[in-house]
Amino acid sequence: SQQGEEDPQALSIQEGENATMNCSYKTSINNLQWYRQNSGRGLVHLILIRSNEREKHSGRLRVTLDTSKKSSSLLITASRAADTASYFCATFTGANSKLTFGKGITLSVRP
Amino acid sequence: DTAVSQTPKYLVTQMGNDKSIKCEQNLGHDTMYWYKQDSKKFLKIMFSYNNKELIINETVPNRFSPKSPDKAHLNLHINSLELGDSAVYFCASSPGGGSGNTIYFGEGSWLTVV
Repeated sequence: SQQGEEDPQALSIQEGENATMNCSYKTSINNLQWYRQNSGRGLVHLILIRSNEREKHSGRLRVTLDTSKKSSSLLITASRAADTASYFCATFTGANSKLTFGKGITLSVRP
Repeated sequence: DTAVSQTPKYLVTQMGNDKSIKCEQNLGHDTMYWYKQDSKKFLKIMFSYNNKELIINETVPNRFSPKSPDKAHLNLHINSLELGDSAVYFCASSPGGGSGNTIYFGEGSWLTVV
């Protein structure tokens, strides 16, 4: 069954604005990962946050994890048109040793 | 280039046919996967192999048969194709099957069954 649920399903912003995407999950996890998928391409790993971490940064990306609420957020600052893509959260649970993906968020950044 | 590569990228075939998708990774990874992405972009794992051994089989119909001749290759053969098999199939690999690993995806194979 699906583990991660992203919110919103679609987001449209102006270039230069920040984009915030949320992910909620149901069971306890070892880590949570965010991936990006450009149209017609494969998924590319962005960032991994472990269950004992609360916040992580990578360039213009900031990820938070709240295990008490079973949720994570991905913030992209100063967005660019090239950030237009689908973003997926994925959770790794030791119980089944697999990465389970959410449905994804479609981000459109208008030039 | 170091990558996960899969062929063909596009495949259009008739119902009832048998087809294969090939995948190779030159990243030296031990674990390889097949994922299926449907028209709503929902991505679901199908199989996982670690060093040529099947680790995960997500109740996929037995018309789908993965084969791993060595740890760098994981091919997917599909028998008696059905309309519902139309999807994008992604091959992927990771250094191991453990929780700290990230997954590297191929560019996908667009399968259309008519």
